[in-house]
Amino acid sequence: NAGVTQTPKFRVLKTGQSMTLLCAQDMNHEYMYWYRQDPGMGLRLIHYSVGEGTTAKGEVPDGYNVSRLKKQNFLLGLESAAPSQTSVYFCASSYSHRDDEQYFGPGTRLTVT
Amino acid sequence: GQQLNQSPQSMFIQEGEDVSMNCTSSSIFNTWLWYKQDPGEGPVLLIALYKAGELTSNGRLTAQFGITRKDSFLNISASIPSDVGIYFCAGQRDDKIIFGKGTRLHILP
Repeated sequence: NAGVTQTPKFRVLKTGQSMTLLCAQDMNHEYMYWYRQDPGMGLRLIHYSVGEGTTAKGEVPDGYNVSRLKKQNFLLGLESAAPSQTSVYFCASSYSHRDDEQYFGPGTRLTVT
Repeated sequence: GQQLNQSPQSMFIQEGEDVSMNCTSSSIFNTWLWYKQDPGEGPVLLIALYKAGELTSNGRLTAQFGITRKDSFLNISASIPSDVGIYFCAGQRDDKIIFGKGTRLHILP
């Protein structure tokens, strides 16, 4: 049981490039989330999904898109990366609709130059 | 939007000391959660609180759900070097979860 995994662990992009971050969970969780973590800002929710085929905006969705084609995977896309998107990105999943007890992945450190 | 005020932002303590940190909000939450994040890792859930007034322990950690439902505290007793990290509170309400900005705990040798 691997829990929540994220790929890649690190990435450097040039401004304007695109990329996709992959999150996978093997716990049969319904809910999945993408957060970004910046120094002094805590965790901020980008997008989330309440089940396969559904997505919703979080607190800071601009510049990102997501897809949940399979229950176990949640993809975060950056179509045209900007330096302001330099951050550590965490994926999380939870079992219940109550949104508590989220299990986090190890993070992806993204630098946009 | 909803905000959580977590304090202190950072703490420097001696090994063996007790630690206390708290989160407050102007909004009511249904659930309070405390997470710990080690360097280079994702946050890991320490304690979950579901009822106002609830006091829950997990080893040397104790957390309480404030009676007003607008605050929570976390205590760590007899700190050890592996307690170093960032501690986050999180409040849940209406299927939304809000994280505090974290308390960074340093332990002096």
